[in-house]
Amino acid sequence: QLQLQESGPGLVKPSETLSLTCSVSGGFISSSSYYWGWIRQPPGKGLEWIGTIYYTGSTYYNPSLKSRVIISVDTSKNQFSLNLSSVTAADTAVYYCASHSWGATSNNWFDPWGQGTLVTVSS
Amino acid sequence: DIQMTQSPSSLSASVGDRVTITCRASQGIANYLNWYQQKPGKAPKLLIFATSSLQSGVPSRFSGSGSGTDFTLTISSLQPEDFATYYCQQSYSIPYTFGQGTMLEIK
Repeated sequence: QLQLQESGPGLVKPSETLSLTCSVSGGFISSSSYYWGWIRQPPGKGLEWIGTIYYTGSTYYNPSLKSRVIISVDTSKNQFSLNLSSVTAADTAVYYCASHSWGATSNNWFDPWGQGTLVTVSS
Repeated sequence: DIQMTQSPSSLSASVGDRVTITCRASQGIANYLNWYQQKPGKAPKLLIFATSSLQSGVPSRFSGSGSGTDFTLTISSLQPEDFATYYCQQSYSIPYTFGQGTMLEIK
C-alpha cells in the first residue's frame, strides 16, 4: 500500500525558494503505474494542482506557476521534490504530494495523498 | 482553464438524509471527473474517479453520475463520519482544477 510523506522547511522568506521532498513507501517511484503530483491548499481555501512528474523526468506544470516551479525525481531515494522560486505570502499553503494515477482511458486522479505540510512565507 | 463550480457551497443535513452535491464544468469534460472528501486538518481522500467508479474501500452509500458539464455526488444515507468538505476535480485537461468545495455540516 502506497504511503507518501512530505518534508521540508515550514518557514520560507519572501523572494526565496520553497523546497519540499516527498518520500514514497510501499511501492517504487519508478513503477510505470504511477505519476507523482504536488497540490497545495492555502489556509481556509481550495485546492490547486501545482504539477506532476513521471519517473522518467517528464513533467507537467500548472501554467500559472510554471515559470517558478521545478519538480524533480530521485529514483534511488524513492523521492520526488518540489522547488518553487520567488515566493510571496500568496504561496503560504499546505503542500500535499500525491500519487497521480491514470486509467485506461486517460482518466486520472490523485490517490493516495501525503498528510500535507504547512509552509508559511514570512520574513 | 476549466472552471469547476460546486453547489451548494455549504449544506446542513441530518444523519440518515440523502444528500446530493452538484459540480458544473465550464466546458465539456466527458467523464473526467473525480470527487474527494476532506476532513479538518487532513488530506483529501479520493471517493470516486471517472465520474462513477467507487474507489476501493469507500462505502457504497457514495455514488457519482453525470457527463459533459454536469455531475453529481450522492450520499444515500448520511453517516456521522460523512460530515466533511467535498471537492470535485476535472482531469480532462491541464491545468487540472478543483471546485471550490462543499462543506457538509450537521443539522
